[in-house]
Amino acid sequence: QLQLQESGPGLVKPSETLSLTCTVSGGSISSSRDYWGWIRQPPGKGLEWIGSIYYTGSTYYNPSLKSRVILSVDTSNNQFSLKLSSVTAADTAVYYCARREGLVGTGVDSWGQGTLVTVSA
Amino acid sequence: DIQMTQSPSSLSASVGDRVTITCRASQSIDTFLNWYQHKPGKAPKLLIYAASSLQSGVPSRFSGSGSGTDFTLTISSLQPEDFATYYCQQSYTTLYTFGQGTKLEIK
Repeated sequence: QLQLQESGPGLVKPSETLSLTCTVSGGSISSSRDYWGWIRQPPGKGLEWIGSIYYTGSTYYNPSLKSRVILSVDTSNNQFSLKLSSVTAADTAVYYCARREGLVGTGVDSWGQGTLVTVSA
Repeated sequence: DIQMTQSPSSLSASVGDRVTITCRASQSIDTFLNWYQHKPGKAPKLLIYAASSLQSGVPSRFSGSGSGTDFTLTISSLQPEDFATYYCQQSYTTLYTFGQGTKLEIK
């Protein structure tokens, strides 16, 4: 069974870069069907898609975050990563990594447990 | 971006009730619509994909319908474990977008 696990600092200072890694187990990140993504949920708010990446390195970003986001993939370690620069308090959220089987037309059927990242001095 | 609007934002119901949540897209999305259940401290769980297909392992009391811009999620007989927040999500474009959520509470 596919499992995803987020890791990274739970506290980031304003103006710095938030960095998270998602480790995939029980399956290969190089699967031709799968796209890997990050989703976040600020406290008391809804879900926001941050971006997606394919194992080849092709990326698809939310336009509202595109200038600050970089996604990368490490196939040798079955991991993918998120970097969000110039963070502010508005970036405080639970960050989830997830898998979807296809770029469009599919649901998100595997999720990590989520990790709370707080932006504060 | 395609905007997704759910109604109601919150709902109180009793065990055994039939409940319907609606979701409207800002443009036609065919049947590229998914529903999730989200409980505090847990990851969202995919319930329905492609508007009406039940995800494996999801109880049959959950059902979905709709196409184009208007969709519904129905729970035929509420169980105690169904009290949660429900989100719709469009998968018509590469940028998936979610509704704002419907919080289902115990009456």
